[in-house]
Amino acid sequence: GEEVAQTPKHLVRGEGQKAKLYCAPIKGHSYVFWYQQVLKNEFKFLISFQNENVFDETGMPKERFSAKCLPNSPCSLEIQATKLEDSAVYFCASSPIDGDQETQYFGPGTRLLVL
Amino acid sequence: SQKIEQNSEALNIQEGKTATLTCNYTNYSPAYLQWYRQDPGRGPVFLLLIRENEKEKRKERLKVTFDTTLKQSLFHITASQPADSATYLCARGGGTGRRALTFGSGTRLQVQP
Repeated sequence: GEEVAQTPKHLVRGEGQKAKLYCAPIKGHSYVFWYQQVLKNEFKFLISFQNENVFDETGMPKERFSAKCLPNSPCSLEIQATKLEDSAVYFCASSPIDGDQETQYFGPGTRLLVL
Repeated sequence: SQKIEQNSEALNIQEGKTATLTCNYTNYSPAYLQWYRQDPGRGPVFLLLIRENEKEKRKERLKVTFDTTLKQSLFHITASQPADSATYLCARGGGTGRRALTFGSGTRLQVQP
């Protein structure tokens, strides 16, 4: 599609439960990025993919967070055993391999609330 | 670490005036700086990119500058309108387009009619 799609829009989980978020990048875009936005607009980079390969995972809290981008499937971000501090809006972005490759196109986000 | 600072949390101006937002960075100059607009409940939307070797770039009512001496980018909206009210984010990019962006905390612009 022409827009980055993210599902669900909202997700509520009890502390300790699993959360799984999905992202469909723009068709033809080879790079996918996940960001976490907490209070006061602070964006934190989590992980990026080049197609199905992890490109940069320096921002991932590896103990509980994992992500995948498999061929012909939406990308996913999974949080095992959620904690209160995981409450945030999670944005996915994609960018093309050529052309305006520096521009990132963001989805509408998934708002995760951990109670 | 490479930081991006947007010192003004909020900016209120009258319709028709020029809004000027500031973005400062630390350490070495990034290959480029980007400006995004974010409306409540939505993802950031790309507005402009300016490269390290460019002094100024314009797009319609928007203008962005890049001053490597001051380590600063200024973002201007001329003839501002209430519809320009949003949060504006500055972001620095790495050496290639595939790198993650480092965002500033944003400036919330409110244009009063």
